[in-house]
Amino acid sequence: QSELTQPPSVSGAPGQRVTISCTGSDSNIGAGFDVHWYQQVPGTAPKLLIYANSNRPSGVPDRFSGSKSGASASLAITGLQTEDEADYYCHSYDGSLSGSYVFGTGTKVTVL
Amino acid sequence: QVQLQESGPGLVKPSGTLSLTCSVSGVSISSFYWHWIRQPPGRGLEWLGYIYDNERTMYNPSLKSRVSISVDTSKNEFSLNLNSVTAADTAVYYCARERRTGGGFVRYFQNWGQGTLVNVSS
Repeated sequence: QSELTQPPSVSGAPGQRVTISCTGSDSNIGAGFDVHWYQQVPGTAPKLLIYANSNRPSGVPDRFSGSKSGASASLAITGLQTEDEADYYCHSYDGSLSGSYVFGTGTKVTVL
Repeated sequence: QVQLQESGPGLVKPSGTLSLTCSVSGVSISSFYWHWIRQPPGRGLEWLGYIYDNERTMYNPSLKSRVSISVDTSKNEFSLNLNSVTAADTAVYYCARERRTGGGFVRYFQNWGQGTLVNVSS
């Protein structure tokens, strides 16, 4: 099963901007399937953060934004806050022969 | 408000069958796609499979021979069975509801259960 590739970790000081990349392939993101992002605070369930590449569910602060280009996507956090320290996962659908839902490898965001 | 809650044994013996149930409230289980996802300790998320329209299923190819998902519409819940388990199946298991739009090109997990830890050990 293919995965989406993310950097293991990113860090920044409060107030800074950090970005997380998510690299897929021609059978998932590159095939036109949208990318979604989840935030997971340790010990809790993942929470939908961004859907359909760049849309925020109700209640998600506008300092979180997403974009997609080709077979990759990215999540940006501007004005980093201490409560943003968590694991972040991208997610898409893989339309290869078997079909499957694929997640990114996960990125730990540390607020310095 | 849609809510999901996993339940089941927290300990399963090797070679046995892992069985979990997800109770759904706030929406009919006869609609939407209902998924199981797991997360081994300290690791990332792995999709296991889904059920739709009460009987249509799709499974992760890497687990296809061991996994099955079913629905009980009278109780508004769905279940996971994973057989021939090993220590590698130790994980937190989540149930989730999918939203699908955009002609199938937009598929995301809008609601998640809190997760339940299952240990495979003798």
